[in-house]
Amino acid sequence: DAGVTQSPTHLIKTRGQQVTLRCSPKSGHDTVSWYQQALGQGPQFIFQYYEEEERQRGNFPDRFSGHQFPNYSSELNVNALLLGDSALYLCASSPGLAGRYEQYFGPGTRLTVT
Amino acid sequence: DAKTTQPNSMESNEEEPVHLPCNHSTISGTDYIHWYRQLPSQGPEYVIHGLTSNVNNRMASLAIAEDRKSSTLILHRATLRDAAVYYCILRTMDSNYQLIWGAGTKLIIKP
Repeated sequence: DAGVTQSPTHLIKTRGQQVTLRCSPKSGHDTVSWYQQALGQGPQFIFQYYEEEERQRGNFPDRFSGHQFPNYSSELNVNALLLGDSALYLCASSPGLAGRYEQYFGPGTRLTVT
Repeated sequence: DAKTTQPNSMESNEEEPVHLPCNHSTISGTDYIHWYRQLPSQGPEYVIHGLTSNVNNRMASLAIAEDRKSSTLILHRATLRDAAVYYCILRTMDSNYQLIWGAGTKLIIKP
């Protein structure tokens, strides 16, 4: 059973560009969450998708947007990239929204903005 | 903001038990206690979670204080592979059960 997969592994972009990151959840999971992790810090919640809708959102600007597809996979889009957007972007899936469910994480996409 | 307090770092010897403490004095009855760990250069990994009772799984045990204001993650026999940052997280109804991460405890295992 494949776990959570993310693509690409690494990405280098220039300030002002746009980027799309992709995530496939663990089999049987219908909820996908995205996190941003700066070097040396814990992950910060960006948003969560369930039933193809954004259900919750963290303290991130509208430049960060997402989508969930009928097969539960998800995309994270970031527009007008800033140097400060350089980070590890993590996708996590779970079998539902409730607090009793554990989240399974992918290996992340390392984004570097130059 | 994270609602848990953990030591910044801990050291332990290989093949000995490790007890990682976590304080969560503002916990309410519907809040879940989750533990995750993150090995170097990897995504976080779920370890264990509980609500009121102590929990055991193949990775670890979670001991929850009777008043639920603190908990302890127990690794029964640490190996070098257990060296990681361990995060204790409260999943609260107020925050819609989101994972709100603190700085975690960096566990160093000495051979």
